[in-house]
Amino acid sequence: AQSVTQLDSHVSVSEGTPVLLRCNYSSSYSPSLFWYVQHPNKGLQLLLKYTSAATLVKGINGFEAEFKKSETSFHLTKPSAHMSDAAEYFCVVSDRGYNNNDMRFGAGTRLTVKP
Amino acid sequence: GAVVSQHPSRVICKSGTSVKIECRSLDFQATTMFWYRQFPKKSLMLMATSNEGSKATYEQGVEKDKFLINHASLTLSTLTVTSAHPEDSSFYICSASLLAGSTDTQYFGPGTRLTVL
Repeated sequence: AQSVTQLDSHVSVSEGTPVLLRCNYSSSYSPSLFWYVQHPNKGLQLLLKYTSAATLVKGINGFEAEFKKSETSFHLTKPSAHMSDAAEYFCVVSDRGYNNNDMRFGAGTRLTVKP
Repeated sequence: GAVVSQHPSRVICKSGTSVKIECRSLDFQATTMFWYRQFPKKSLMLMATSNEGSKATYEQGVEKDKFLINHASLTLSTLTVTSAHPEDSSFYICSASLLAGSTDTQYFGPGTRLTVL
């Protein structure tokens, strides 16, 4: 079964500095990978997804992620953090080619942005 | 496009009562819907996968008689928490997927916060 590991439970950056949220995955098939953001007491918003096209995926709000098969990683980055980026981020994996499109969530990384 | 709504957004009930949560896909037909539970400061745990017109598939450890799921149409799935107890208090989130039998993006509802007194 597929799984993800988010390597940091909490990341703190200063406004204007780069953001790196790390994610490693495990999958028996060719995976689809997603990053979702959750603001306090809100639902989940899709930031970006990888489904076997370009390995560098650009998402909303200036975020991007690179699929690295050799490293089984899908880290999320942003060149310059904004105060509004403070939220919980989830890395998610789903096995493609498997007749069950359920998604497995990482434990989440809480991003804090300092003024 | 691809908007999913949940109703109610927040519910408080007494122990022993049953609570129904609705999940609707507003602008698309969702062949498959999913129900998740999220504990405070924790990740989402998949509870069950629901396909329109068939019985839901529950994850290991989830009581199907406790959490009744009905997926009567391509735009509506309901989760009923029966005989709710304080330990059932949680944030319940549904999602909907466009395609069956393949991996596709899930679109998430805003969640329902259940508090059982």
